[in-house]
Amino acid sequence: DAGITQSPRHKVTETGTPVTLRCHQTENHRYMYWYRQDPGHGLRLIHYSYGVKDTDKGEVSDGYSVSRSKTEDFLLTLESATSSQTSVYFCAIAVGAGPTDTQYFGPGTRLTVL
Amino acid sequence: LAKTTQPISMDSYEGQEVNITCSHNNIATNDYITWYQQFPSQGPRFIIQGYKTKVTNEVASLFIPADRKSSTLSLPRVSLSDTAVYYCLVDWDSSYKLIFGSGTRLLVRP
Repeated sequence: DAGITQSPRHKVTETGTPVTLRCHQTENHRYMYWYRQDPGHGLRLIHYSYGVKDTDKGEVSDGYSVSRSKTEDFLLTLESATSSQTSVYFCAIAVGAGPTDTQYFGPGTRLTVL
Repeated sequence: LAKTTQPISMDSYEGQEVNITCSHNNIATNDYITWYQQFPSQGPRFIIQGYKTKVTNEVASLFIPADRKSSTLSLPRVSLSDTAVYYCLVDWDSSYKLIFGSGTRLLVRP
C-alpha cells in the first residue's frame, strides 16, 4: 500500500460546513494526488501536488482547496460542503521520479453531505 | 489528452483467459499505457504498464501493436477473485496526472 493512510475513512456532514480530509504517506514521495470517484464517472482528479507548497488543479477542482505544508501530508478541504460533493475520495502518490512511475492509492474516504 | 475506449463489461468463467482491449487512437508519442484494477470499496491497484510490443509480469500480459492505437490486457486463467473493474490509461504529461476512463467491469463466474 506504499504507506498511504487517509483520515477519516467515513464522514457524514451537513451542507455548508467545512470539511478537511487528510492523506498521509510515510515514504517521502514528491507527487501526491486527490481524486474523487462517483458512479458513472470513474475517478477524476481534483488537485495534485509536486512538492511542499506546490500544488495545481485537476479537472474537477471547483469547490476544493488543498495544502501541503509537509512532504508527508496532503490535505483536501471543502470550504462549504455541498451535496454534489458526496463521493468517495482517494489519495494517491507517485512512486519514483520518472514518467513511467506507478501511482499507489490510499483506502479512500467516503464522504456524505446531507 | 488521449481518450480511451473500453468495453463496459465482460463475463468469463474460472480458468479461462480474459483479454480486455482498449482503444486509444490519439495516443501521444510519449504516452505509456497503464492498466489498473479496482475492487469495490478499494483504491485502484497498478497491474501493468508498457510502451510497445509485449510486457509480461506475474499477474498479466500487455500486448501493444506497432501503431499503438490499441492495447490488450491479458489475464491468464482467471479466478473469482479477478472480478473487478479494469482501467486502461494512456494520459501522461509532465504533471504526472492520470485520467481514468469508465473502465471494464469483469465478472468471473464459477
